[in-house]
Amino acid sequence: DAGVIQSPRHEVTEMGQEVTLRCKPISGHNSLFWYRQTMMRGLELLIYFNNNVPIDDSGMPEDRFSAKMPNASFSTLKIQPSEPRDSAVYFCASSRGTGGQPQHFGDGTRLSIL
Amino acid sequence: GEDVEQSLFLSVREGDSSVINCTYTDSSSTYLYWYKQEPGAGLQLLTYIFSNMDMKQDQRLTVLLNKKDKHLSLRIADTQTGDSAIYFCAERRGSTLGRLYFGRGTQLTVWP
Repeated sequence: DAGVIQSPRHEVTEMGQEVTLRCKPISGHNSLFWYRQTMMRGLELLIYFNNNVPIDDSGMPEDRFSAKMPNASFSTLKIQPSEPRDSAVYFCASSRGTGGQPQHFGDGTRLSIL
Repeated sequence: GEDVEQSLFLSVREGDSSVINCTYTDSSSTYLYWYKQEPGAGLQLLTYIFSNMDMKQDQRLTVLLNKKDKHLSLRIADTQTGDSAIYFCAERRGSTLGRLYFGRGTQLTVWP
């Protein structure tokens, strides 16, 4: 069975550039989560969707960050313009929203902004 | 407090048992989870326990839940060097559409 698929695995770009991270959740999962992980702040929830609708985006750092989920099988996290402090590992996770079903994580995108 | 708390580091010798502790925040949390993260990888679900259970065992893993103290522990028997990783505790609070609240993670180092 395919797990959560994220792309790209690594991204290196110069500050000021637009960055788009992609995620394909597990088929049948109706909740999707974007996280950011850094040494300083640990694992932070940025935004999550249920049935393609954003439920809580209070973790999004600022207006430079945006996320979309146009359908049940695809989501993007965009940073425009990017800054060096955005360098981190970004994870996508999905779950069935009901019951105790756990979240399943992708392998992450390691983002470096120079 | 509002944070899920874990100690940051634990070191054990190969073959010993490891016990990783976690204090969660919400007495009405329905499910509690343990995840493992190896270097360069995502979080991998290890096990989870429903709040009406006190203990769950799965091969070398034993989860203990003390609801009164809001304390969760993960015991790894016969710890191996391959168990070296970061272990995250997480709680699911009420009806949050699957949202989990994570601790900062415990770095487990296993010495040969």
